[in-house]
Amino acid sequence: SYELTQPPSVSLSPGQTARITCSGDALPKHYAYWYQQKPGQAPVMLIYKDNERPSGIPERFSGSSSGTTVTLTISGVQAEDEADYYCQSADRSGNPLFGGGTNLTVL
Amino acid sequence: EVQLVESGGGLVQPGRSLRLSCTASGFTFGDYAVSWVRQAPGKGLEWVGFIRSNAYGGTTEYAASVKGRFTISRDDSKTIAYLQMNSLKNEDTAVYYCTRYYGDGFDYWGQGTLVTVSS
Repeated sequence: SYELTQPPSVSLSPGQTARITCSGDALPKHYAYWYQQKPGQAPVMLIYKDNERPSGIPERFSGSSSGTTVTLTISGVQAEDEADYYCQSADRSGNPLFGGGTNLTVL
Repeated sequence: EVQLVESGGGLVQPGRSLRLSCTASGFTFGDYAVSWVRQAPGKGLEWVGFIRSNAYGGTTEYAASVKGRFTISRDDSKTIAYLQMNSLKNEDTAVYYCTRYYGDGFDYWGQGTLVTVSS
């Protein structure tokens, strides 16, 4: 079955650039979306259609795609960016599918 | 401002039923699909199902884990979507989020409602 694979955790210092990957065989066929979830809060869409940013999302968040891997890049990580990040695409039926999530820690 | 507010969560025994509601405002509800996404305690996000707008037949799709037990419906006149959950299992325990489903992504989320299945 289709899966989306993310690293469980990423740690880095403030000001560094975070790159969170999401891999899956379905990614060349379907757009990817990224969500940020802070503790106790609902997820928020960060990126849609691989690399588009909804209004209100800071420019330091960007998305890219290459083959079976999509990447969320956070340029100049800030303490407030500490959260869980989820990629989402679709399975072979075209139904939504989430990655397992990546916990970003800002040291 | 787009708002989605879930209600109806609570404690329920295994095998029983529960209906969640999602009340929407701030957009033309009937023009959009609505999806439910859940998150078990300490776990990741899991898509549950969605209902298309009536312009696309108002048809539904479900995850394999809930198919045949859960039903999503909508009342566009009241701008409410429902998630009817039958034959509940312990593993259905989760926070259930109502989302606006647009372009194969979830662009707005409610705050969620907790469903606990336990005897």
